[in-house]
Amino acid sequence: DTGVSQDPRHKITKRGQNVTFRCDPISEHNRLYWYRQTLGQGPEFLTYFQNEAQLEKSRLLSDRFSAERPKGSFSTLEIQRTEQGDSAMYLCASSLSPQETQYFGPGTRLLVL
Amino acid sequence: AQKVTQAQTEISVVEKEDVTLDCVYETRDTTYYLFWYKQPPSGELVFLIRRNSFDEQNEISGRYSWNFQKSTSSFNFTITASQVVDSAVYFCALSEAGSGNTPLVFGKGTRLSVIA
Repeated sequence: DTGVSQDPRHKITKRGQNVTFRCDPISEHNRLYWYRQTLGQGPEFLTYFQNEAQLEKSRLLSDRFSAERPKGSFSTLEIQRTEQGDSAMYLCASSLSPQETQYFGPGTRLLVL
Repeated sequence: AQKVTQAQTEISVVEKEDVTLDCVYETRDTTYYLFWYKQPPSGELVFLIRRNSFDEQNEISGRYSWNFQKSTSSFNFTITASQVVDSAVYFCALSEAGSGNTPLVFGKGTRLSVIA
């Protein structure tokens, strides 16, 4: 049973560019979550999905952030017109159901120059 | 509102010492879940334990033990006979069940350094 995977693991981009991250959850996990973690802080919730439905997106940091999970399997998180303040670790997690434990992927570390 | 406080920012211990990491939480929900995760230098969050609010029994797993006390809203984590491999950042987290299981709210973490 493979764990949560994320791609890429590292991304360096220039300010103003768009970036897209991918998350593949554990097979059969219905819930998928995105978090952001900045240096010295705990992960901060961004958005989550139940299958393909996005249940909460008000916590996305700005309208430059969007996420989708088109077929209820993998998910993508896009940041448009990146800013230096977007530099962080972006973590994905999945769970079998709302009550079950969330398991995290290795994260994508973004650096905006 | 939910909140998790980990007052200890950094702790250093010598190998084989016992160490306790503190976690205090706030919630208005009567049904909730508490978690501990470990984040080694590689960055991946590793799940350690999950407790629900109705189960106050302490738990032991090898060198790890957890003390859950609703009366003080605390969920502390003790490592016995610490080892260098225990060096990591440890996060306590909370999820409320009342609203369809809200996403996790994390504390700021405690960085543990175990010195050989």
